[in-house]
Amino acid sequence: GQNIDQPTEMTATEGAIVQINCTYQTSGFNGLFWYQQHAGEAPTFLSYNVLDGLEEKGRFSSFLSRSKGYSYLLLKELQMKDSASYLCAVRDSYGGATNKLIFGTGTLLAVQP
Amino acid sequence: EAGVVQSPRYKIIEKKQPVAFWCNPISGHNTLYWYRQNLGQGPELLIRYENEEAVDDSQLPKDRFSAERLKGVDSTLKIQPAELGDSAVYLCASSSGLAGNEQFFGPGTRLTVL
Repeated sequence: GQNIDQPTEMTATEGAIVQINCTYQTSGFNGLFWYQQHAGEAPTFLSYNVLDGLEEKGRFSSFLSRSKGYSYLLLKELQMKDSASYLCAVRDSYGGATNKLIFGTGTLLAVQP
Repeated sequence: EAGVVQSPRYKIIEKKQPVAFWCNPISGHNTLYWYRQNLGQGPELLIRYENEEAVDDSQLPKDRFSAERLKGVDSTLKIQPAELGDSAVYLCASSSGLAGNEQFFGPGTRLTVL
C-alpha cells in the first residue's frame, strides 16, 4: 500500500530552527518533494530529493534516506511568514506511473513571536 | 511567465446540480493534473494527462466525474450530479514532464455543495 506519515501540527518560535519529519512506504520511489501551502492558497514547491543526503536552499534544507524511507525538512531562522502547512510528497514509479505524486496529510506549522 | 490559471475560484451549488472547473496550464507544459484536496488533507490525484491523453484516471469517480483536454492545452473537470461529499478544493497542476521537474499548482477552485 501507499502510506506517507508526517506530524499533524508543530509549533516553533520565531528565529528558531524546526525539523518536520516524513516517513513513507510506497510501491515505487522516484523522488520526494516538499511543498509549502499557506491557508487558502496553492502548494508551492520547496525542494526535491532523489538521492540520499541533504539538499540546502537558503533557509530551507531537505534530507532523504531511501533505505529508511525517511525525509525531513529543516527550516532555519524561522519567520512569521513561515506559518503554513508543509506537504511531503513521494513520486511513485510503480507500473510506469512516472510522475504520480502521493501526498501526506501535511504538517501545520505555527510560528510564534 | 503566467502560472496555472483556474476558474472559478469559488463555487457554491446545491446537491444534484452539475458543476465544471476550468484550468489553463503553464505554456509548454504537456502534463496536466487534477487533484482534490479535502480540508486538513493533502491533495489526491484524480486524473493526469499527457498532452490530450488521460494516462492515469484510476482515482476518478467515473460515475459522476468526467474530464477532457481536447487540444492538449486547457482542461475541464466536470461533476454531474454533485454530492455533499464533493465539497473540497479542486487543484490543477502542470509540469513539463521531464524527470525531476516539479508540478506547479493553480490557486484551486473551492467547491461547496449544499
